[in-house]
Amino acid sequence: AQTVTQSQPEMSVQEAETVTLSCTYDTSESDYYLFWYKQPPSRQMILVIRQEAYKQQNATENRFSVNFQKAAKSFSLKISDSQLGDAAMYFCAYRSAETGGGADGLTFGKGTHLIIQP
Amino acid sequence: KAGVTQTPRYLIKTRGQQVTLSCSPISGHRSVSWYQQTPGQGLQFLFEYFSETQRNKGNFPGRFSGRQFSNSRSEMNVSTLELGDSALYLCASSPLDPSRQETQYFGPGTRLLVL
Repeated sequence: AQTVTQSQPEMSVQEAETVTLSCTYDTSESDYYLFWYKQPPSRQMILVIRQEAYKQQNATENRFSVNFQKAAKSFSLKISDSQLGDAAMYFCAYRSAETGGGADGLTFGKGTHLIIQP
Repeated sequence: KAGVTQTPRYLIKTRGQQVTLSCSPISGHRSVSWYQQTPGQGLQFLFEYFSETQRNKGNFPGRFSGRQFSNSRSEMNVSTLELGDSALYLCASSPLDPSRQETQYFGPGTRLLVL
């Protein structure tokens, strides 16, 4: 079974600064997908960014970018120009690329609580 | 396009009762997954349905069941509720597009409290 580890329970950053959230995962598969989801106090889970393991190019979405290191099984999220609205729990997630997505759906880390200081 | 909708948003039940939660996926999506979120266990996969068939199932007891209808709407049922079933239940749907079918889009969740 795959595991996802987020080693930072909480991070704090000044508004307009850059912050990086860490995620490592363990898998024996070679083809998979990785995601970062954001869960604000409303509890709605919002997709932030998606990475396909077979693509070496790091995904970017506006102020959000990832550093995907497949050999190291590392998938960090960088948020540039942090804004107050970025405050939320951030979850790293893994999904197998096997037909049907594998047996476990999305496997999530425990999350990192991001605080934005004004 | 409307997002994933879940009803009800909040629910209070007592131990031993059963509960049914409903989820309507994004229009055109045929895959629906359910997750349980608790402070202690985090986010855990319950099951996934595609075209009315259960495709995957997580490690939950048989008290947890689900189904999907021909219009892709899904329900999950929990029988003989226990205190530990108190949680946020999240539903997610995935597009048919083969290049994006692994990506899940979540609804707002149903918060269940078991007393």
